[in-house]
Amino acid sequence: EAAVTQSPRSKVAVTGGKVTLSCHQTNNHDYMYWYRQDTGHGLRLIHYSYVADSTEKGDIPDGYKASRPSQENFSLILELASLSQTAVYFCASSDEDRDTEVFFGKGTRLTVV
Amino acid sequence: GDQVEQSPSALSLHEGTGSALRCNFTTTMRAVQWFRKNSRGSLINLFYLASGTKENGRLKSAFDSKERYSTLHIRDAQLEDSGTYFCAAEWYTNAYKVIFGKGTHLHVLP
Repeated sequence: EAAVTQSPRSKVAVTGGKVTLSCHQTNNHDYMYWYRQDTGHGLRLIHYSYVADSTEKGDIPDGYKASRPSQENFSLILELASLSQTAVYFCASSDEDRDTEVFFGKGTRLTVV
Repeated sequence: GDQVEQSPSALSLHEGTGSALRCNFTTTMRAVQWFRKNSRGSLINLFYLASGTKENGRLKSAFDSKERYSTLHIRDAQLEDSGTYFCAAEWYTNAYKVIFGKGTHLHVLP
C-alpha cells in the first residue's frame, strides 16, 4: 500500500521560531508536494519537487522553504514562523505531474502562538 | 476501512455529455470540498459545502451530511475538463480532521 507519512501530526510553535515539517513516502514517486489548508478554504500549493535535491515554488511560497534530500523525503521549513502560518499542512506524492493518483499524508496541524 | 470512498476511479466522457462523481462517507462529516488537480500539482478549489448544493457554470455539487454523501455533477463536458478530481471531507472528533478521496481521473474525448 502506497504511503505518505507526515511528522509531527501536530505542533505548537512560537512566533519567530523555526519549524520543520517532515514528509516521507514509500511510493517510489518522483513528485512530492506541500499544501496548506485553512479552515473553510481549499488547498494551496506551497512548494513541490520532481527530483531529489531540487525544489520548485508553488502558488504561495513566501515564508516557506523546502528541502528534498532524497526521493523519499521532502521537508517544509518555516524559518521565522508567523501567526498567519497557522494552518493544516498536507504532504502528497504522485508518480508524475499528470493525471495519476495522488497520495496524501494525514496532515500536520500547526498552531503558531 | 476508508472513511471516504470516491467513485468512479476513472471516467471517460465525450464532449458535450455529462456525468456525476460521488463520495460516500462512513461517518458524519462537517463539510466537503471538491478540488481539481491541474498539471502542475495545484489543487483548484471547486466547491466548499457545509450543506445543500452549489452551482458554478457547468459544475454542480451537493452535500448531504445525514445521508453521508456528496456529488459533483459535470454537464456539457469540454476537453479542458480532463483531469483528476478529489473530494475532501472535514470532521471533528477531538481535533479537526480532513480526509481525501482517492480521486477520479476524468478523460474528456472529442
